[in-house]
Amino acid sequence: AQSVTQLDSHVSVSEGTPVLLRCNYSSSYSPSLFWYVQHPNKGLQLLLKYTSAATLVKGINGFEAEFKKSETSFHLTKPSAHMSDAAEYFCVVSDQNSNYQLIWGAGTKLIIKP
Amino acid sequence: EAQVTQNPRYLITVTGKKLTVTCSQNMNHEYMSWYRQDPGLGLRQIYYSMNVEVTDKGDVPEGYKVSRKEKRNFPLILESPSPNQTSLYFCASRNSYRTGYTFGSGTRLTVV
Repeated sequence: AQSVTQLDSHVSVSEGTPVLLRCNYSSSYSPSLFWYVQHPNKGLQLLLKYTSAATLVKGINGFEAEFKKSETSFHLTKPSAHMSDAAEYFCVVSDQNSNYQLIWGAGTKLIIKP
Repeated sequence: EAQVTQNPRYLITVTGKKLTVTCSQNMNHEYMSWYRQDPGLGLRQIYYSMNVEVTDKGDVPEGYKVSRKEKRNFPLILESPSPNQTSLYFCASRNSYRTGYTFGSGTRLTVV
């Protein structure tokens, strides 16, 4: 069965330093992978998606993620954190086995220190 | 502007009083879905629809109903709400499984 594991429930970084949010998945088929962001008291916004094209995916607000099939990972990175990046981030997988419904990770709360 | 619109944004109701949360999208998407979000439990799918008149249960369908009579609308119905349905609800739509969902702003429901 498909699953998504976000390895850190909380990540704290200083403003201006790199961000790394880790995500591992399991999937029997060629997966589609997504990262969503949820700012406090807001809805969910799609940051980026991987759907079997280029393995390095660029998203909005300077975020990017790399699909590594051998490691079954889809980590989210950003070179320099900004205070406005403070939010909760969700890694999501979808494939044929789930009838293309989304399987959600538990979320990683990103804290930015001034 | 392409969007998913949910109403109401906030709702406090009493146990057993039927309610409907409306959801409408203006992107001509075929797929629509309802989720609930609870602290420590993440997002869980309630129902989804792959097209007009086609709906399927998600992970937590008990106590909910949906209908999809038109492509743009996907209302969530609670026939007899109970306190354990107090939650933050999101409606979402997408064009295909590869495009990712567009989410509404959410409905915070409290059942007392």
